[in-house]
Amino acid sequence: GQNIDQPTEMTATEGAIVQINCTYQTSGFNGLFWYQQHAGEAPTFLSYNVLDGLEEKGRFSSFLSRSKGYSYLLLKELQMKDSASYLCAVRGTDSWGKFQFGAGTQVVVTP
Amino acid sequence: DVKVTQSSRYLVKRTGEKVFLECVQDMDHENMFWYRQDPGLGLRLIYFSYDVKMKEKGDIPEGYSVSREKKERFSLILESASTNQTSMYLCASSQLVGGETQYFGPGTRLLVL
Repeated sequence: GQNIDQPTEMTATEGAIVQINCTYQTSGFNGLFWYQQHAGEAPTFLSYNVLDGLEEKGRFSSFLSRSKGYSYLLLKELQMKDSASYLCAVRGTDSWGKFQFGAGTQVVVTP
Repeated sequence: DVKVTQSSRYLVKRTGEKVFLECVQDMDHENMFWYRQDPGLGLRLIYFSYDVKMKEKGDIPEGYSVSREKKERFSLILESASTNQTSMYLCASSQLVGGETQYFGPGTRLLVL
């Protein structure tokens, strides 16, 4: 079966660092994606990992360990605008690149 | 700039009504997807299409159908709306192959009374 787990909610202070973990068990793996979704808006692409290791993009970094079925998204120097839901998604190996999404982690940034 | 648009942001319908949700993308993408998003459940795939007139069932197709008559447009149809179809509906598109992400529309929040 397919299973993607991530925490429901995390709270952190402005300027701090937060790490959102995602574990997955899927029948096929062809990449792990992180999306940011503000309330009432569409998810927007943040990062993509297909090989093990760390990908850095400004204040956001994403890590992948395929052998452990594990990824994390690291948000540094938190800003109030980072308050949002963060979705972990795994793309399968079917011909059409279907995604399986986690339920999302709501990050609340406090002053 | 990539763009996926959906016909309505908010929709209120009555039980038993036929409901059409439209999605248009301007990126010449082959793949298009319809998801519903519910609290605590995340995004669940209803149907997807990889070419004009082609469609495949996702994880929760019951009570829905789709239509793709043109490459840029993908419609989701609720044949007879029910209250348990109250949800946020998100359309997405992507290229057929490669490392491309999916690009999402703004969503349609549907309330079925």
